[in-house]
Amino acid sequence: DQQVKQNSPSLSVQEGRISILNCDYTNSMFDYFLWYKKYPAEGPTFLISISSIKDKNEDGRFTVFLNKSAKHLSLHIVPSQPGDSAVYFCAASNAGGTSYGKLTFGQGTILTVHP
Amino acid sequence: DGGITQSPKYLFRKEGQNVTLSCEQNLNHDAMYWYRQDPGQGLRLIYYSQIVNDFQKGDIAEGYSVSREKKESFPLTVTSAQKNPTAFYLCASSEGTGPYGYTFGSGTRLTVV
Repeated sequence: DQQVKQNSPSLSVQEGRISILNCDYTNSMFDYFLWYKKYPAEGPTFLISISSIKDKNEDGRFTVFLNKSAKHLSLHIVPSQPGDSAVYFCAASNAGGTSYGKLTFGQGTILTVHP
Repeated sequence: DGGITQSPKYLFRKEGQNVTLSCEQNLNHDAMYWYRQDPGQGLRLIYYSQIVNDFQKGDIAEGYSVSREKKESFPLTVTSAQKNPTAFYLCASSEGTGPYGYTFGSGTRLTVV
């Protein structure tokens, strides 16, 4: 049972445009969500997170939106840069609003930003 | 510099052999985790430990074993009972507070030959 789903295996975007990566979850107990970025043969690195008490969190070019009623979150990257090309993983936890506890990951979306 | 070190980066194993993947952290994190990455399946949890001398099975623990004798170390043994061990293995740790979730190691690519 895939509790966190990223239904788009890949996304291709032109440099300077917006990249929108989507993630859906089924477990209503999830209360903390994170996005990780991963390059080949490396470990994922933390990008941005959001608690279920918020519906938006912004950090520079990266914004995460959470729609609890739809059990959906999205990551917006504006403007997209070629260095953003990587695999992006959505993750969720049931940790009382903290980052503690095991994370459940989606399948990942390969983002390619063309110059 | 604090971080997580996984070794080796590449590992080859003959069928029927056990192999141990190393994971060491100097972040003073209480919790440590092992994930496996396969194409199209994301990251799947193998085992995790929230405190020394205690660990829990994740979603795909069959064919794997772990130990947590020291806070800094969480080695993973891939046994001959694991039917499809070829994968990219990631170790992570977390401190339990703050918005940053896990810190990951750089991974070990295990190939059965």
